[in-house]
Amino acid sequence: RKEVEQDPGPFNVPEGATVAFNCTYSNSASQSFFWYRQDCRKEPKLLMSVYSSGNEDGRFTAQLNRASQYISLLIRDSKLSDSATYLCVVRPPGGSNYKLTFGKGTLLTVNP
Amino acid sequence: DAGITQSPRYKITETGRQVTLMCHQTWSHSYMFWYRQDLGHGLRLIYYSAAADITDKGEVPDGYVVSRSKTENFPLTLESATRSQTSVYFCASSEVYSSYNEQFFGPGTRLTVL
Repeated sequence: RKEVEQDPGPFNVPEGATVAFNCTYSNSASQSFFWYRQDCRKEPKLLMSVYSSGNEDGRFTAQLNRASQYISLLIRDSKLSDSATYLCVVRPPGGSNYKLTFGKGTLLTVNP
Repeated sequence: DAGITQSPRYKITETGRQVTLMCHQTWSHSYMFWYRQDLGHGLRLIYYSAAADITDKGEVPDGYVVSRSKTENFPLTLESATRSQTSVYFCASSEVYSSYNEQFFGPGTRLTVL
């Protein structure tokens, strides 16, 4: 099983649609979880952290299921500006090195 | 308010040449990282540094050398470039307050090795 595995996509959705991305991770002792967003030919940027109880930021909702080693991102009322690649990111256990492991990303295109 | 910068932004070189990619951050973050991003592989960690004069290998360190004599700079050197090192290289930095600390990325360097 790969360390971090995501839906490969691409996802093409109309404006206003709800879309969900899934991600699984292999190391059950992983410490923290994130979704990063990467626009075409740009650097990744943090979209949101994913907490055990689930968390919401406007139209974005992230969920963590530690038992199933599963992370999800839900985007409601999609906007054209949401078009990007979404990276599932996990911090594996390992003391204080603060390294991150990135999934390969899921490409989302929101169409008018 | 530069944050984290990389230079050059684009580089074309030939096989066998030495190339150095520069990374500079203005936040005095303790941690710095070098990644490469290739189609089909996503972001892979090359090297990282926990502080000045402390560096360690990541997932794909072969063919690369790093140094960190000052907290704000973390250059990456390809000692003898190969075509397989054609990639987009991202530098990142992070401070350490909790396990949820964000990594901030530079704009990237697109390197082509002919």
